[in-house]
Amino acid sequence: KAGVTQTPRYLIKTRGQQVTLSCSPISGHRSVSWYQQTPGQGLQFLFEYFSETQRNKGNFPGRFSGRQFSNSRSEMNVSTLELGDSALYLCASSLGGTNQPQHFGDGTRLSIL
Amino acid sequence: QQPVQSPQAVILREGEDAVINCSSSKALYSVHWYRQKHGEAPVFLMILLKGGEQKGHDKISASFNEKKQQSSLYLTASQLSYSGTYFCGTGSQNFVFGPGTRLSVLP
Repeated sequence: KAGVTQTPRYLIKTRGQQVTLSCSPISGHRSVSWYQQTPGQGLQFLFEYFSETQRNKGNFPGRFSGRQFSNSRSEMNVSTLELGDSALYLCASSLGGTNQPQHFGDGTRLSIL
Repeated sequence: QQPVQSPQAVILREGEDAVINCSSSKALYSVHWYRQKHGEAPVFLMILLKGGEQKGHDKISASFNEKKQQSSLYLTASQLSYSGTYFCGTGSQNFVFGPGTRLSVLP
């Protein structure tokens, strides 16, 4: 079974630009969650999508948004990039619910210049 | 609210045991444990769903004390491959990870 695939693996952007990250979950998984990982803040929950609906949202500004398609693939968009957005962005897929294990992709490393 | 993990870091020799604790000021509905090796994605280890539940595979096990709102991860006879950062996570809606415990196993 193929794992969670995130693209691209690396991105370099400048302040003010916007970026879109992609996540393809494990086949059959309908839940996709996004996390931001930084050395100072650890793993922070951004949002979760289930069957094309945002089910939960973390404490991030509105510049961070996402969506999920009918095939469960998900995208995350960050607009008006700031230096502090430099981080590893991880997505995780699961069958849904906090009682299910999450399977992580390798992440997208975003660097803002 | 983010769970608290202790210790923040631990260094072991191969064959030694370690315990990592995870506690929360809020009710814990379930506890997940993950390990992340440097430069890699977090990998699921186990979930504990009920108070008093204990689980394990190989020489890694965990317990969940619902009343005390805490969980502990036990690593027995540690191997070099156990090195990494261990995260506990919980949440009824928004999933929250603890800050992590960095475990280094030396030969």
